[in-house]
Amino acid sequence: AQKITQTQPGMFVQEKEAVTLDCTYDTSDPSYGLFWYKQPSSGEMIFLIYQGSYDQQNATEGRYSLNFQKARKSANLVISASQLGDSAMYFCAMIRTDSWGKLQFGAGTQVVVTP
Amino acid sequence: DVKVTQSSRYLVKRTGEKVFLECVQDMDHENMFWYRQDPGLGLRLIYFSYDVKMKEKGDIPEGYSVSREKKERFSLILESASTNQTSMYLCASSERGSHQPQHFGDGTRLSIL
Repeated sequence: AQKITQTQPGMFVQEKEAVTLDCTYDTSDPSYGLFWYKQPSSGEMIFLIYQGSYDQQNATEGRYSLNFQKARKSANLVISASQLGDSAMYFCAMIRTDSWGKLQFGAGTQVVVTP
Repeated sequence: DVKVTQSSRYLVKRTGEKVFLECVQDMDHENMFWYRQDPGLGLRLIYFSYDVKMKEKGDIPEGYSVSREKKERFSLILESASTNQTSMYLCASSERGSHQPQHFGDGTRLSIL
C-alpha cells in the first residue's frame, strides 16, 4: 500500500526567506506522480506543482520548486522568497497511474510566514 | 478556470438525519471525488466516480453513499448521520489521466449534533 509522510506538522518562516517542506513516500509502483497542494485558512485546495516519476528534471512553477530524489523516495517542496500570503497548510499527495486518478495525501504541514 | 461548486459552506444536522452534499463542476471532467478532511489525518478518499453512474469505494466508504446521474454533478449521501461524521468535506474533479491535477471546491464544514 502507498503511504505519504510529512514529518513537519508546522513551521515558522520569515518573509523573503526560502522554506523547504518535507515529503517522503512509499510505493512499489514504478510509475507514479506527486502533487503539492496549498490550503489557505479559507479552505480551498490550490494545486501548486506536479512531478512524474519518470520526469528527468525537477518541476518548477514560479516560486515553487520540487526537489525530487527518487532513490530516497522524497519530493520536498521549496518555496523561495516567502510572502505573507504563503501562510497556509501544504499537502503532498501521490497518485498511482493505474488508480483512476485517486490521490493519497499526507497529513500536511502548517506554514506561518512572519514579517 | 475550472470551477467546482459545493452547495453549502457550512451545514448543521442532527444525528440520524439523511444528509445530502452536492457538488457541481463546469469543466466536463470525467473524474469526481469526495474526501473528508480531519486534523492530523490529511484528506481521505470516501468515494470517487470515473463516469456517469459509475462509482468506486475509496478508503473510508462506511456510512456514505454517492450518486452521479449527470456528468457534472456528484452527490455524497450520509444515510443516517452520526457525530463521528462531523468533518470538512471536499469535492474534487479531474480530467482522466494520471498526471492531471484535481480541482477542489471550497469545502463543506458539516457538524452533526
